[in-house]
Amino acid sequence: GNSVTQMEGPVTLSEEAFLTINCTYTATGYPSLFWYVQYPGEGLQLLLKATKADDKGSNKGFEATYRKETTSFHLEKGSVQVSDSAVYFCALSVGKLIFGTGTRLQVFP
Amino acid sequence: DSGVTQTPKHLITATGQRVTLRCSPRSGDLSVYWYQQSLDQGLQFLIHYYNGEERAKGNILERFSAQQFPDLHSELNLSSLELGDSALYFCASSVDAGGFELGTDTQYFGPGTRLTVL
Repeated sequence: GNSVTQMEGPVTLSEEAFLTINCTYTATGYPSLFWYVQYPGEGLQLLLKATKADDKGSNKGFEATYRKETTSFHLEKGSVQVSDSAVYFCALSVGKLIFGTGTRLQVFP
Repeated sequence: DSGVTQTPKHLITATGQRVTLRCSPRSGDLSVYWYQQSLDQGLQFLIHYYNGEERAKGNILERFSAQQFPDLHSELNLSSLELGDSALYFCASSVDAGGFELGTDTQYFGPGTRLTVL
């Protein structure tokens, strides 16, 4: 079946630290992959996406590369800010979206 | 702002009651999806409508139903409410031609409706 596995949180970092949130998937076919972000008390915002193998999605300093050989779509950012504190969801699209469990990121000054 | 609107923002009701959640998709989007977000189940797909027709069902209870109207807005009806139905309900829309053309399956989410059943 189709599924997404994300690293457990919370991830706690100091401002300007490097961020990696791991995401691996299981899918039949070649789905599009997404990262969504949910800030406290808000809805889901699309952060970035990749539609085929080796595509790199990027937005607001965040990046993720669609790796078919390792079935991964890890989220990275070179220097996090306090304002990046949120819950990050990895998802794949097979018509509907299948989400990971979410990873809470807490960034301290 | 994603362009997807949902009303109401908050809803508090009692067990056994019925409520209706409303969603208006982004201009030009034909697909509407409903999702439930709860602490124990995470984000779960409920149902998908494309241009007025039901396309797919997920983990949607029989007490729940939905429809998409000719103007493409959608309503999710929840009846015989139970305490466990308390959750955030999101709708999302996409261009989605239904054939999963590359890039058309990006879903944009509304702000959600927080349902509290007392």
